[in-house]
Amino acid sequence: QKEVEQDPGPLSVPEGAIVSLNCTYSNSAFQYFMWYRQYSRKGPELLMYTYSSGNKEDGRFTAQVDKSSKYISLFIRDSQPSDSATYLCAMILNAGNNRKLIWGLGTSLAVNP
Amino acid sequence: NAGVTQTPKFQVLKTGQSMTLQCAQDMNHNSMYWYRQDPGMGLRLIYYSASEGTTDKGEVPNGYNVSRLNKREFSLRLESAAPSQTSVYFCASKLAGGRETQYFGPGTRLLVL
Repeated sequence: QKEVEQDPGPLSVPEGAIVSLNCTYSNSAFQYFMWYRQYSRKGPELLMYTYSSGNKEDGRFTAQVDKSSKYISLFIRDSQPSDSATYLCAMILNAGNNRKLIWGLGTSLAVNP
Repeated sequence: NAGVTQTPKFQVLKTGQSMTLQCAQDMNHNSMYWYRQDPGMGLRLIYYSASEGTTDKGEVPNGYNVSRLNKREFSLRLESAAPSQTSVYFCASKLAGGRETQYFGPGTRLLVL
């Protein structure tokens, strides 16, 4: 079992839909959680960064962390064609003196006009 | 600020040829990373440099070497390219301490025939 699981999709939604992207993880030592967005033929860029359980909102984007269920989500409200990209979750594993960044495989999202 | 730059953008090699991928950042970041990204495999860390003068192996270092030339530059060398090294290569950088936010370059697409 991988440390971080993310459904690769593809996910296709109409413009204006609410999108839900998810990752699950197996190790309770994960402490920091991030969502990156990657447009086609570009490098990933940080979208959201969160530490604690609960919700963090930034414009149309909401990052949710549920540490008890080992589950994180990214919600996109009023989705736009410009949101079409691959979304990667990433988590920091704190194990003693070692910090390790673990990536999900990414979910491909297409928002259709 | 240009951020993280990578050269070349695209390269075709024959099996056995060598090449060096160049990366530079102008954000005064301490840590730099080399990843490869393959379909179904996600981002995998090849090598990283926590600070100038140090380099360490990542998840998939075999067949690669790196040089941290100075604080700005981190190069990746393929001594004898193999078809299995066909991939998209990303360089990233991060400020020491604080958030684990990595800033990525635009990538180098490498095809080994």
